[in-house]
Amino acid sequence: NAGVTQTPKFRVLKTGQSMTLLCAQDMNHEYMYWYRQDPGMGLRLIHYSVGEGTTAKGEVPDGYNVSRLKKQNFLLGLESAAPSQTSVYFCASSSRGNNEQFFGPGTRLTVL
Amino acid sequence: SQKIEQNSEALNIQEGKTATLTCNYTNYSPAYLQWYRQDPGRGPVFLLLIRENEKEKRKERLKVTFDTTLKQSLFHITASQPADSATYLCALDWHNQGGKLIFGQGTELSVKP
Repeated sequence: NAGVTQTPKFRVLKTGQSMTLLCAQDMNHEYMYWYRQDPGMGLRLIHYSVGEGTTAKGEVPDGYNVSRLKKQNFLLGLESAAPSQTSVYFCASSSRGNNEQFFGPGTRLTVL
Repeated sequence: SQKIEQNSEALNIQEGKTATLTCNYTNYSPAYLQWYRQDPGRGPVFLLLIRENEKEKRKERLKVTFDTTLKQSLFHITASQPADSATYLCALDWHNQGGKLIFGQGTELSVKP
């Protein structure tokens, strides 16, 4: 089992460019999450999904969109990147009834 | 809104000693409190979960306590080793919230040989 994988691992964008981060999990988990982690701020939830076809906003959703077309995949989109979105992005998944979250290795994004 | 406070300063201890990390929260007590370990450049890894009706939980050299009156959890690593050096995150969890967690900012632990 690969667990939770994220692509890409690193990316540099210019202000105004768009991109999509892909998260995939092979554990058949119902719940998936996107976090961002900034120095001194801890992990903050951007969006999450409790099942295929459903998404919901987290603590810091502005400037991001998500989609969960397949149970195993959770996509995070930035339509018009801003320097404030420079961060490390983590995807995680968990199963219903088991609160432990499994995290991916992260994507380091820099917006110039 | 819910706030979580962890020691912002790094904790430096000698190998073999017990490391104690603190997690304080405000407002509503969670149904569960979790602890994760994060190494540099890696994603967090789950360590332990303690429920609101549990006072203490142990796993090998790890011990977690949960005091809903003080709104505090303590995380202990006994007989610490240099390999225990990492950042430790606490996270709060409630019922029927889609598994959402609220994380503290983490405490960096350094164990010197």
